[in-house]
This record gives sequence, C-alpha cells and structure tokens, in this order.
Amino acid sequence: AQSVTQPDIHITVSEGASLELRCNYSYGATPYLFWYVQSPGQGLQLLLKYFSGDTLVQGIKGFEAEFKRSQSSFNLRKPSVHWSDAAEYFCAVASGGGADGLTFGKGTHLIIQP
Amino acid sequence: DSGVTQTPKHLITATGQRVTLRCSPRSGDLSVYWYQQSLDQGLQFLIQYYNGEERAKGNILERFSAQQFPDLHSELNLSSLELGDSALYFCASSVGGDPLYEQYFGPGTRLTVT
Repeated sequence: AQSVTQPDIHITVSEGASLELRCNYSYGATPYLFWYVQSPGQGLQLLLKYFSGDTLVQGIKGFEAEFKRSQSSFNLRKPSVHWSDAAEYFCAVASGGGADGLTFGKGTHLIIQP
Repeated sequence: DSGVTQTPKHLITATGQRVTLRCSPRSGDLSVYWYQQSLDQGLQFLIQYYNGEERAKGNILERFSAQQFPDLHSELNLSSLELGDSALYFCASSVGGDPLYEQYFGPGTRLTVT
C-alpha cells in the first residue's frame, strides 16, 4: 500500500528566510505526487503536482518541489517565506492511471516568526 | 473559493444518530471524492464517485455510505454515529476520474458527535 511520511510536525521559520518541507513516499511504481496547503478553517488548495518529466516543478505562490526517485522524496521549497504562508502543508500521493483517492501525509504545521 | 460547496458547515448530533452531508461539485466536474480529517487519523480518503457511479473506495466504514445523483451532487450518509466519527469531512471534485486531474476541495463540514 502506498504511504506518505512528513517527518516534521511543526516547523518555525523567520519571515524572509528560505523554507524546505520534507516528504517521503512509499509506492511501487512512479506515483503522482502533490503538495496541498490548508489555511485555518479552510479547505485544501493545490500548490503543485508531479506526474512525470522534469523533476523540478513550479507551483503557485512561489513554491517549488523536487522529485528524487532515488530518495523517494518530494520536498517542497520556497526561497523566501511571507507571514501569509503560515498554514498546514500536506504531501499526497496517488496511483497513476488508477481509480484512487489521495493518500496524505500527517501534515507539517508552518509557523512564521516576524 | 474553489467552487465546491458543502452543507451544512457545522453539525452537532448524538451517538447512534444518522446524518447526511451534502456536496455540490464545481460546474463541469464529473468526479466527487469524500475525505475525513481527524486528529487521530489525519486526512483519509473515503470514497469516489464518477458521473454517478462508484469508482474507488478507501477507508470507508460500513456504517457510512455515499451516492452521486444525476445532477452530480453527492451525499455522504453516516449512521450509528460514534464519538470517534467526530471529524471534518471534505468533499473534492475534479473534471475527470483519474488522480491526474486536480481535485478542488470544499470548505468542509465539521461533525461533532456528543
């Protein structure tokens, strides 16, 4: 069965600093990988996704992620965070071409210090 | 605003009761997914419908059922409710049935079982 691990439950970053959120997945074939953001009291919004091709994908709000097959990782990065980036971030995986929902990690809570 | 609507926003009910959660997908989307978000289990995929037919099943309990109607709205029925069913229930919609297609999440229905 596929699974997603987000090792960091909480991360605190100063405003303007760079950010990297870690995500490791377990899946037999090439997965579909996603990063979602959830602001307090809101639903989830897709930041970016990877299916195939270029392993560095660009998303909305200045986020990017890199797929590394050898490390089974799909880490999310942002060069300079803003206070509005404070939220819960979820990494997710799905089986390509199949009938399936998303399997989510437990999430990483991002705190931005002024 | 994702374009996905969920009603009600909040629901408080007692153990043993039955409730129905409603989801209206974005205009043009044929697929509806249901997810449960709880502190214990995190975000879990429950079930997916595509154009009125069940397409995929996740960790959905036998006490729970869902359907998608001809106008494509969907309902999630939860019966014999237990305290542990207290959670945020999200609906997501996408244009196609494959996870390749972006899922747009509604704001969720918060269910409290007392």
